[in-house]
Amino acid sequence: AQKVTQAQTEISVVEKEDVTLDCVYETRDTTYYLFWYKQPPSGELVFLIRRNSFDEQNEISGRYSWNFQKSTSSFNFTITASQVVDSAVYFCALTGSGNTGKLIFGQGTTLQVKP
Amino acid sequence: GAGVSQTPSNKVTEKGKYVELRCDPISGHTALYWYRQSLGQGPEFLIYFQGTGAADDSGLPNDRFFAVRPEGSVSTLKIQRTERGDSAVYLCASSLPGVAGELFFGEGSRLTVL
Repeated sequence: AQKVTQAQTEISVVEKEDVTLDCVYETRDTTYYLFWYKQPPSGELVFLIRRNSFDEQNEISGRYSWNFQKSTSSFNFTITASQVVDSAVYFCALTGSGNTGKLIFGQGTTLQVKP
Repeated sequence: GAGVSQTPSNKVTEKGKYVELRCDPISGHTALYWYRQSLGQGPEFLIYFQGTGAADDSGLPNDRFFAVRPEGSVSTLKIQRTERGDSAVYLCASSLPGVAGELFFGEGSRLTVL
């Protein structure tokens, strides 16, 4: 069965701190995709990144970076120099190769960035 | 606007009533998805349309739930004989074909069953 675990329910940091959100996944598929989505208070989930199972290169986009490690089945997300606008619920998700829109989401990590 | 539009944004109904939730996807997005999100949880997949047909409805919890997309654009999620456990936010998303998992979500329809 496929499963995504986000062990951190809530994280609170002060602005400008770095913060890492953990994500561990389980799948028997050899081809799969991993994602991070952001859900601000307005409720609309926003796509942040997609990684396929054959690409373990880390990725950086501005203050955001992602560390994909197949050996530990982890796909962690780091925000550098956090800002108040980063406050949101962040979801890690996994999909199989068959239906690439059927995402399995973790329970989410609520990030609060205090000024 | 250019995003996914869902109506109503809020719906309060009584147990046993019938409810329809509507989703208007981004123009040109052939794939459409319904998810359900309970408080404090991640979204759970319900059904996926490619064009007019339901390509995967494995997430529908029981036969009280049904969704249609007759012209390959707007979709309606229908819930019969609502129960209190159906209370949740129902999210619709759309995507371009072949772009794995990059879904564009609406703001959701919050359903409360009293």
